Amino acid sequence: QSALTQPASVSGSPGQSITISCTGTSSDVGDYNYASWYQQHPGKAPELMIYDVTNRPSGVSNRFSGSKSGNTASLTISGLQAEDEADYYCSSYSSSSTLVFGGGTKVTVL
Amino acid sequence: QVQLVQSGAEVKKPGSSVKVSCKASGGTFTYYAISWWRQAPGQGLEWMGGIIPIFNTTKYTQKFQGRVTITTDESTSTAFMELTSLRSEDTAVYYCARDLRPLTPFYGMDVWGQGTTVTVSS
Repeated sequence: QSALTQPASVSGSPGQSITISCTGTSSDVGDYNYASWYQQHPGKAPELMIYDVTNRPSGVSNRFSGSKSGNTASLTISGLQAEDEADYYCSSYSSSSTLVFGGGTKVTVL
Repeated sequence: QVQLVQSGAEVKKPGSSVKVSCKASGGTFTYYAISWWRQAPGQGLEWMGGIIPIFNTTKYTQKFQGRVTITTDESTSTAFMELTSLRSEDTAVYYCARDLRPLTPFYGMDVWGQGTTVTVSS
């Protein structure tokens, strides 16, 4: 069982917006602004989409955005496209100086 | 452009050990934390631990404490992950990944290796 809780699946139609939640505790997500999100397509290595809760690495579409409220970080994908269909994982630095992570969310584009 | 290149696939017997390497090229190795993740077939990503070479400090997740050792060889810009007492449940793809910024511990990883498949079977 992962330390961070994500929904197993989220779906949306092309053009819609979806939000994936990532719930931790006051020892990780709630206490640090170091939540990250990764996208992983089948058979591929993960790709960093969001870091430090809200920041996008260069080259990542601005359709991806991150936020945080209390112990929950969220990833929003706006203008959903077929290429966004993938697994998404969240992670956060924690008070034990380690990284905690979520179980992953499968995004389906209907 | 920094790249991480991992060693090739391994097949191991239960009870044995495996050591996977991760060679960095195109950037400064010493100042960036390197993490090791794994992904069992059909399962999610799992962070195993990491190292900050310049401080020679390591952190491991509790699940792997005592079975995993992460080291580096700065002369060759290579990180290593050794996992002992292998069992069938350790069959997975193992990834190394580099932190986004220097001198920060496991805040976010923007460079990933291609993955190494480790199969544990009798």
